[in-house]
Amino acid sequence: EPEVTQTPSHQVTQMGQEVILRCVPISNHLYFYWYRQILGQKVEFLVSFYNNEISEKSEIFDDQFSVERPDGSNFTLKIRSTKLEDSAMYFCASSEVRGQGNQPQHFGDGTRLSIL
Amino acid sequence: GNSVTQMEGPVTLSEEAFLTINCTYTATGYPSLFWYVQYPGEGLQLLLKATKADDKGSNKGFEATYRKETTSFHLEKGSVQVSDSAVYFCALSTDSWGKLQFGAGTQVVVTP
Repeated sequence: EPEVTQTPSHQVTQMGQEVILRCVPISNHLYFYWYRQILGQKVEFLVSFYNNEISEKSEIFDDQFSVERPDGSNFTLKIRSTKLEDSAMYFCASSEVRGQGNQPQHFGDGTRLSIL
Repeated sequence: GNSVTQMEGPVTLSEEAFLTINCTYTATGYPSLFWYVQYPGEGLQLLLKATKADDKGSNKGFEATYRKETTSFHLEKGSVQVSDSAVYFCALSTDSWGKLQFGAGTQVVVTP
């Protein structure tokens, strides 16, 4: 069964450095998402992406964050200047169509980001 | 705003016991409801879903019924196995872009 893959599985970065998290969504999917889970807290929505632009973003997704689909297969999340509070598990997800659940979102295994 | 509340864990059970994880929600409009499961070291997997009131989602022996009158979507399994040990997340979506809002997750530990 096709799956969403994320790399790296664990990223350790110094505070203030830029980090790029990578995701390869399922190939025929058109809608892409990033979520994060701070240790011990809820999984939180960050951003959704369709047709090469952001369709929705949360208040967490401030100017330090950006997403792009540089080559038609990868979907990346960039954090420009990392803070300690960015330490979390970041999940990428994709779905074939949008909407309220008729086509579910498929999640990757996540990237654990640790900011020192 | 929308929110999902689920029972706190960990829930520890013996094999073949009955499992219930309570989930209630607050939402404007008519949400779709989901249960996702996260096995150790893995990502979130869709377990089951229901898109309208009175729908029952089922998969792998798990069931949940969308109850609009009580705004609930409780997860049940009649006889758990050790392999069901995982974290279970209740979630909803009311958003046309498909954004999911999750509960805090409930860890389930099944002992032999």
